[in-house]
Amino acid sequence: KNEVEQSPQNLTAQEGEFITINCSYSVGISALHWLQQHPGGGIVSLFMLSSGKKKHGRLIATINIQEKHSSLHITASHPRDSAVYICAVRPGTASKLTFGTGTRLQVTL
Amino acid sequence: KAGVTQTPRYLIKTRGQQVTLSCSPISGHRSVSWYQQTPGQGLQFLFEYFSETQRNKGNFPGRFSGRQFSNSRSEMNVSTLELGDSALYLCASSLFGTSGYEQYFGPGTRLTVT
Repeated sequence: KNEVEQSPQNLTAQEGEFITINCSYSVGISALHWLQQHPGGGIVSLFMLSSGKKKHGRLIATINIQEKHSSLHITASHPRDSAVYICAVRPGTASKLTFGTGTRLQVTL
Repeated sequence: KAGVTQTPRYLIKTRGQQVTLSCSPISGHRSVSWYQQTPGQGLQFLFEYFSETQRNKGNFPGRFSGRQFSNSRSEMNVSTLELGDSALYLCASSLFGTSGYEQYFGPGTRLTVT
């Protein structure tokens, strides 16, 4: 079993829909990152969380440390949000990231 | 501020050869991490360097090595290339490391081994 599990693996939504991507992890962590990867490979760091909730534009990320679970929400989705969203955790005091397998999001008009 | 740069962007090598990839972090960042991304294994941590010292290493064979220079630029080297080394190699820099600091990713080097 992977240390980091994401769901769903694939997601298709219509423009304007509210989207939720989930991430569960099995180890104690000191931080969780949400990353976005567009076709072509470039990765952008969206959020880094150790507790609570963060918001940036239409994106919201939450984390529940006790339940070892995080969610990424996209409000009013747009075709430009189409990308792979990757959850990554920093286990304990290790100076490395462990990644989920990603959620491929396709937003259509 | 210039972002993380990686060179070369694309590379084709033959089995048995060796390759060196370069990463220049954002100015002022002292930590550089390297990752391998393949369709089968996804993103995997290779190693992290901080102030010229390797701070952590992932589960990769000794053919994978790296170093960091005094200006924080980092190189990784893969010797005796195998077909399975074909991947996107990403580096990321942060101010002090992954602990509590944002990671900024470079565009990656796509390595194809034939």
